[in-house]
Amino acid sequence: DGGITQSPKYLFRKEGQNVTLSCEQNLNHDAMYWYRQDPGQGLRLIYYSQIVNDFQKGDIAEGYSVSREKKESFPLTVTSAQKNPTAFYLCASRGTSGDTGELFFGEGSRLTVL
Amino acid sequence: SQQGEEDPQALSIQEGENATMNCSYKTSINNLQWYRQNSGRGLVHLILIRSNEREKHSGRLRVTLDTSKKSSSLLITASRAADTASYFCATANTGTASKLTFGTGTRLQVTL
Repeated sequence: DGGITQSPKYLFRKEGQNVTLSCEQNLNHDAMYWYRQDPGQGLRLIYYSQIVNDFQKGDIAEGYSVSREKKESFPLTVTSAQKNPTAFYLCASRGTSGDTGELFFGEGSRLTVL
Repeated sequence: SQQGEEDPQALSIQEGENATMNCSYKTSINNLQWYRQNSGRGLVHLILIRSNEREKHSGRLRVTLDTSKKSSSLLITASRAADTASYFCATANTGTASKLTFGTGTRLQVTL
């Protein structure tokens, strides 16, 4: 089935550790996005990529890094520089670069810092 | 930055009643979209309305858009317990339309 797969669903991290969240899509979409969601709040954009080998910072990029080496994959690394990383992370994709239509979301990854 | 603000933050109704949620935004838009999120899950797209449209229907959903007031509303008619979820508006803003900016959401509870 076509869709977006995020892994792991739950992740625990000790302070000072980097962690990488995986996002894979088989929808043949050009654009991919990472959002962060905190309890009772909306989604805030971390990074986005409209084409392979290119990505842009969103509104809250500090403490995060991404890569886009393949069209299907857009991993997010939460670095030790991120001061408050405990959150629900959502990956999304959209058809073509510059498209303004709907986003397709994965099921999310919940990161907890111990 | 949050573009949209939903109102109310939470809404509790009985099955069969209608639910209305409102969204206000700040800048000019290309389109406005509504999404649904079940607890602990990803978001699912419901409906998109373009800036030159005033009203759109999809099944039990009705969306209106007033660009002069920078506001939109989502009406769910004849609600069901399965409609219990959080609902978010998202705007594709003119000039940065490749990014969607989400509001803070309305939590809808539909009881039997």
